[in-house]
Amino acid sequence: EDKVVQSPLSLVVHEGDTVTLNCSYEVTNFRSLLWYKQEKKAPTFLFMLTSSGIEKKSGRLSSILDKKELFSILNITATQTGDSAVYLCALSNFNKFYFGSGTKLNVKP
Amino acid sequence: DTAVSQTPKYLVTQMGNDKSIKCEQNLGHDTMYWYKQDSKKFLKIMFSYNNKELIINETVPNRFSPKSPDKAHLNLHINSLELGDSAVYFCASSQTPGNTIYFGEGSWLTVV
Repeated sequence: EDKVVQSPLSLVVHEGDTVTLNCSYEVTNFRSLLWYKQEKKAPTFLFMLTSSGIEKKSGRLSSILDKKELFSILNITATQTGDSAVYLCALSNFNKFYFGSGTKLNVKP
Repeated sequence: DTAVSQTPKYLVTQMGNDKSIKCEQNLGHDTMYWYKQDSKKFLKIMFSYNNKELIINETVPNRFSPKSPDKAHLNLHINSLELGDSAVYFCASSQTPGNTIYFGEGSWLTVV
């Protein structure tokens, strides 16, 4: 069965710290892996990864995929309180998405 | 301009009632979804429509009935509401099935 497992479930850091969020998966027919950030309302799209080893970057956030070991990481450098959110990993198999349970990140001043 | 909009945003209703949530997207996407997010933030697919045709129907009680009058709209009707239906329901859309999905702001349903 296709599935997504995220770790850690929650994380507390201080501003300026660097964090790494993990997403491992099992899938029969991989299309893409996506990262979303969810604050109070709707998840907002961060990255879509389809190829191994190619880093996607947006400001202080970056993500990479390893299709051999079946995982992805999301890095956030120099964290700010505005980064506090639930980060969701989602796997697409050409038909639908499977979401992980998310990592709740709390960045303290 | 809101890309995926859903109404109502908040809904408090009594057990046994019937309610509907409406969703519209102006992105020109072919595919629309309903997701349910529980108190632990776990997002679970309920239904997916592609060009008005149902393509995904997960194990959902048949009290939940989606309707897609056209590819820009996907509504969700819930009969005989139960306490366990309390959750946030997200509408979403994507260009094609399995492509990047964009979420509406969510409808917070509380059944009392």
